[in-house]
Parts: sequence; structure tokens; C-alpha cells
Amino acid sequence: DIQMTQSPSSISASVGDRVTITCRASHHISTWLAWYQQNPGKAPKLLIYDATRLESGVPSRFSGSGSGTDFTLTISRLQPEDFATYYCQQAHTFPFSFGPGTKVDI
Amino acid sequence: QVQLQESGPGLVKPSQTLSLTCTVSGGSISSGSYFWSWIRQPAGKGLEWIGRIFISGDTKYNPSLKSRVTISVDTSNNQFSLRLDSATAADTAVYYCAREAVAVAALDSWGQGTLVTVSS
Repeated sequence: DIQMTQSPSSISASVGDRVTITCRASHHISTWLAWYQQNPGKAPKLLIYDATRLESGVPSRFSGSGSGTDFTLTISRLQPEDFATYYCQQAHTFPFSFGPGTKVDI
Repeated sequence: QVQLQESGPGLVKPSQTLSLTCTVSGGSISSGSYFWSWIRQPAGKGLEWIGRIFISGDTKYNPSLKSRVTISVDTSNNQFSLRLDSATAADTAVYYCAREAVAVAALDSWGQGTLVTVSS
């Protein structure tokens, strides 16, 4: 199985900050990587797919980069609605797997 | 705009079968453009991919659930279902159904989730 790790596990940030979250896969996954945002008590929401492609309707302050084993999600200017938990997920090899999450809070 | 809605018992006794249904509205489950998936999340923990089904009936499951899991599709009712046999307390979680777009290999639409507690 492919193991996904994320760092940091939590970030304390302020509105307007630039935030970067890192995701690492235990094996090469090309760009088969998605990012999700989850607010408390809500379902995850797709932000980025294919490592760099922005899902329709997602603000352009979100961006993704990387390929192979190392990936990054960047929020250029943090907004109040961005305080949430973020998960990466690989779709290269079954079983699909998620990272443990990164909580972004104030 | 497609919508997904989970339904099923919120309480299951240990050793019994956990059964959930996901009803899809605003789109046809028979579309060849999507896989139909189940994901779960124990309270305060991360996401676990359970498995998925394609309209052809082809399924993929997480081996961590061994042979306990079955996902099926009911095109006449635009639904797909999850069956998890021999439930234990470790299966207590919020269960989500979701749609995976074939073209993007990502879960682009999710149900709101339903809490299933395994307890006597």
C-alpha cells in the first residue's frame, strides 16, 4: 500500500497569511494526487486534482504543485473561510489512501 | 448539480451487518463517466477509502476490510450500497458516499455523511 504523510499536522495562521502544506507519498504516484478541504461536521470538498488542476468554483488563491512523491498545497492569502483541515489523497494505486490531515487554525 | 445522500441504520450491533445506501439525484448513476465510492471517518480521525464500483459492476475494495465489504449498484433506483459484515466497534465512523470522476481520478461530489455506531 502507498502511505501518505502530511506536514505540518497543524498550522496557526492569520487572515492574509500565505500557507503551505506538504504531502509525501511512500511510492511514486506521478500526479495522481488530490487535495480536499474539510470543515467540522461537513463532508470533504475537492480543491485540487491531478496535483495542480483547480476544481471548478475553487478560488484561485488555492494552488497545487509537485509530482512523483512530493506535493504542496498553497493558500496564497488566507481567508476566514479557509480555516479547516486539509487532506491529500493518492489515486495511483489501490487501495486509494489519504494523508492524516493538516489543520489550519487561527 | 448532482447530489448524494446516505441512508441506513445509525446503530448496528456487534457481529451484525452494517448496510448503507447512497441515493444519487441530479444525475444518472449509469453514466460511464464516474465511479461510485464509499469513504469513512472515525470521530476525530482521518479518512479511509473503503472501495468503489463502476456501472459495469467492477469493484475495488480496501484489503484492510478483507472480505467483509461488498459494494453494489441499483440502476433502477439510481442508488449504490455498502455492506460490511461482522461489524465491530472499530467500524464506528461517519460513512460518506462520493462520486469519483473517471477523467480526474478525484472525489468531486460527496454526500453529507451518516454516523454509524457499532454497539450492543
